[in-house]
Amino acid sequence: DTAVSQTPKYLVTQMGNDKSIKCEQNLGHDTMYWYKQDSKKFLKIMFSYNNKELIINETVPNRFSPKSPDKAHLNLHINSLELGDSAVYFCASSLNRVSEAFFGQGTRLTVV
Amino acid sequence: EDQVTQSPEALRLQEGESSSLNCSYTVSGLRGLFWYRQDPGKGPEFLFTLYSAGEEKEKERLKATLTKKESFLHITAPKPEDSATYLCAVRETDSWGKFQFGAGTQVVVTP
Repeated sequence: DTAVSQTPKYLVTQMGNDKSIKCEQNLGHDTMYWYKQDSKKFLKIMFSYNNKELIINETVPNRFSPKSPDKAHLNLHINSLELGDSAVYFCASSLNRVSEAFFGQGTRLTVV
Repeated sequence: EDQVTQSPEALRLQEGESSSLNCSYTVSGLRGLFWYRQDPGKGPEFLFTLYSAGEEKEKERLKATLTKKESFLHITAPKPEDSATYLCAVRETDSWGKFQFGAGTQVVVTP
């Protein structure tokens, strides 16, 4: 059983399109995250939700909007995609805001 | 200003050649230091959490240690399957759970 799963694994799309990435965790965790890994492999936090409540919103363009319909799901919607949005996006979850995080396998987004 | 700095950026080892990776951090209050391993095309895999200076954790050929300013990941007698990028992350007090990651150390172990 996959603990943190993201779909799709690969996403190739044209500039200006709108796309969504879905994430689900079956660990019963309270906290979920979105991280972006750029071409230099640096992982940077974008958002965090705790019990469906947004608690971290880093300096991310308004085109990115997270949504948490319930504790087990955290989706990421991106409007008007730009070339610079190309990266690998990771979803993660942790039991709470103190414990370690477990990551999904990533979604490689390529904007052409 | 970088809060988490990892060194070296890359490390090439012969099988059996032990070495250490460094993670230095500058935070006002540490709420945990985390080590992860990342294989190409995969998500980071959790290895260890360290909470206070002097703490040590071990798993197979890996041992993580923590001081007030840095952490070391020691790889003893590495095997080719230990080849990966090792990431260090810190969590500050009052950070609402946010992890700050270092840039990673890419380790290649050759037979």
